[in-house]
Amino acid sequence: GNSVTQMEGPVTLSEEAFLTINCTYTATGYPSLFWYVQYPGEGLQLLLKATKADDKGSNKGFEATYRKETTSFHLEKGSVQVSDSAVYFCALRSGGGADGLTFGKGTHLIIQP
Amino acid sequence: DTAVSQTPKYLVTQMGNDKSIKCEQNLGHDTMYWYKQDSKKFLKIMFSYNNKELIINETVPNRFSPKSPDKAHLNLHINSLELGDSAVYFCASSHWGSGELFFGEGSRLTVL
Repeated sequence: GNSVTQMEGPVTLSEEAFLTINCTYTATGYPSLFWYVQYPGEGLQLLLKATKADDKGSNKGFEATYRKETTSFHLEKGSVQVSDSAVYFCALRSGGGADGLTFGKGTHLIIQP
Repeated sequence: DTAVSQTPKYLVTQMGNDKSIKCEQNLGHDTMYWYKQDSKKFLKIMFSYNNKELIINETVPNRFSPKSPDKAHLNLHINSLELGDSAVYFCASSHWGSGELFFGEGSRLTVL
């Protein structure tokens, strides 16, 4: 079956630090990959996505590259801000139709001023 | 102008009671979902519907019964609530075949 593995949190960084959150996956076929972000008290929202190998998704300074050879989709940001504090979820979708997403367990990111 | 709205946001109830959570989306999507998020933030799909038809029914106790009166609504009814049902329940919607889901703000259910 499909699965997503993320690094355990919480991850605590200082403002302007470089961020990497690791994500690896197991899936049949050629999945689409996603990063979702959940700010405190809110629902999840899509941060970025990549639909095929070597695609790079980017948004709000965050980037992730779909690496088929390492089955990875690591999230990176060059300089984090306090407002980036949230829970980040890596997810994949390998089926069609209404299959929904398979999520990782989430990584809680805390940015200190 | 909330895209995916759920009610109620908070629900505190006793074991054994029956409760419902309602969800509505105004995005024109044809597919809707219920996810459960446990205390460790782990998200697991429970159900998905497309055009009012049940597509996915994960290994969820049959005390949970979703109902979709139309494409824009997906409600969740839970019978005989148990302590382990305490969680945040998220409704989401998307276009058929899209991995871009739009989530509601969640409904936090606490069973005492």
